[in-house]
Amino acid sequence: GAVVSQHPSRVICKSGTSVKIECRSLDFQATTMFWYRQFPKQSLMLMATSNEGSKATYEQGVEKDKFLINHASLTLSTLTVTSAHPEDSSFYICSARRQGNEQFFGPGTRLTVL
Amino acid sequence: AQRVTQPEKLLSVFKGAPVELKCNYSYSGSPELFWYVQYSRQRLQLLLRHISRESIKGFTADLNKGETSFHLKKPFAQEEDSAMYYCALGGSGNTPLVFGKGTRLSVIA
Repeated sequence: GAVVSQHPSRVICKSGTSVKIECRSLDFQATTMFWYRQFPKQSLMLMATSNEGSKATYEQGVEKDKFLINHASLTLSTLTVTSAHPEDSSFYICSARRQGNEQFFGPGTRLTVL
Repeated sequence: AQRVTQPEKLLSVFKGAPVELKCNYSYSGSPELFWYVQYSRQRLQLLLRHISRESIKGFTADLNKGETSFHLKKPFAQEEDSAMYYCALGGSGNTPLVFGKGTRLSVIA
């Protein structure tokens, strides 16, 4: 099967610090990965599309300088939340596209900013 | 513009009753539709896709291009079907899936 992992699964940090979240496709190569944010009991909100070897494409309203995305290889994309504030607390989910349009999702990372 | 509409935020049915989760889409091209499910404390996972025309866990969904719908159906709901269900529309190239807002299905014993 197609497995996507995220690390860490949960992180608590102080306001003003930066947090890096990793997303890996474990058994396939993903030229495109996506980062979503999910608030409690709400749907996924697409933040950005990450393409290997190129700059990420951000959705309207998402600050690219705050949410830094790097897609250095076909199996790894990272999301760094810079200078995190309490309002950034959320559930961050990545997904990877393998073939066609099917996307496989990671388990998510719960970020809590104190 | 691509858009997915799931009109019901919450759907409660009794165990053994039929279930229909509604999904309508808006897309000018040839759509590819998916249903994803998220069980409590688990990751989002693919339930079925219209091109497969298969039944997963007793669920089926038929793409109706005339009505631009892709409703998810199951004849007899089970308690373990309780979850969040998301309808998604696929584009082409690197465009991401567009998700509906989801419907929470609650199956009551």
